[in-house]
Amino acid sequence: NAGVTQTPKFRILKIGQSMTLQCTQDMNHNYMYWYRQDPGMGLKLIYYSVGAGITDKGEVPNGYNVSRSTTEDFPLRLELAAPSQTSVYFCASSRGVLAGADTQYFGPGTRLTVL
Amino acid sequence: QQQVKQSPQSLIVQKGGISIINCAYENTAFDYFPWYQQFPGKGPALLIAIRPDVSEKKEGRFTISFNKSAKQFSLHIMDSQPGDSATYFCAARIGGGADGLTFGKGTHLIIQP
Repeated sequence: NAGVTQTPKFRILKIGQSMTLQCTQDMNHNYMYWYRQDPGMGLKLIYYSVGAGITDKGEVPNGYNVSRSTTEDFPLRLELAAPSQTSVYFCASSRGVLAGADTQYFGPGTRLTVL
Repeated sequence: QQQVKQSPQSLIVQKGGISIINCAYENTAFDYFPWYQQFPGKGPALLIAIRPDVSEKKEGRFTISFNKSAKQFSLHIMDSQPGDSATYFCAARIGGGADGLTFGKGTHLIIQP
C-alpha cells in the first residue's frame, strides 16, 4: 500500500492564480481530510469528507473548495491564490471515527508559496 | 479560541533523559487524544493515543498520562534518543466526530547526544 499520496510536493503560485492539490489514498478509507500547517501554529482543518459525494467545512475553509467523486481521491482547489494561503498542506484519511478505526494517516504534504 | 494548548514550544533533553510534553484542553466533549510525531519534510504520524476511560497508556518508551478532572494530558518519552528529535503534536477529537482533529501548536524536541 502506498497509503496517502499527494502531488505536487512543491509549488509556487502568483497571486490570483488557481491550482488543485491532489490527494489519493489506497486504503479504501471512507474519511478524508485536508489540513494546513503554518509555522508554530499546528495543523488546522480546512475541509473533510465522510464518503464519496459528501464534503463539509472545517475550521478554515475560506478560499478553498473540495470535491469527492470517488473513495480514493479528495482534491483541494484554490481558486484565487493569496499570500495568506502560503502554507504546507496535508491530506489525511481514516477508516472511520469509532474506536479502532479512527487513526488518521497523513500524506507527505504539499508546500505552497504564493507570491 | 485555541481549544488545545501545548507546552513547551521547544525542549532540549539529554540522551537517556525523560522528555515531557504537556497539553490542556477546554472542550469536555473531546474523547480521543492522540499524539503525532513529525520529522522535517514529512507528514505527521500517529505515535500513541488515549481515551478518557483510562489514566495512562504505555507503548514501549512512550507513555500518555491523562487527567480528566484537570483536562490535561501529557506525553512522556523515557530513555530519550537522538532519533526521537522531531516535532510532537497533541490533538483531540469530539466523540464520534467526523470533523477531524484539533491540534496543539507543537513542541520541537531536540535530544542531545
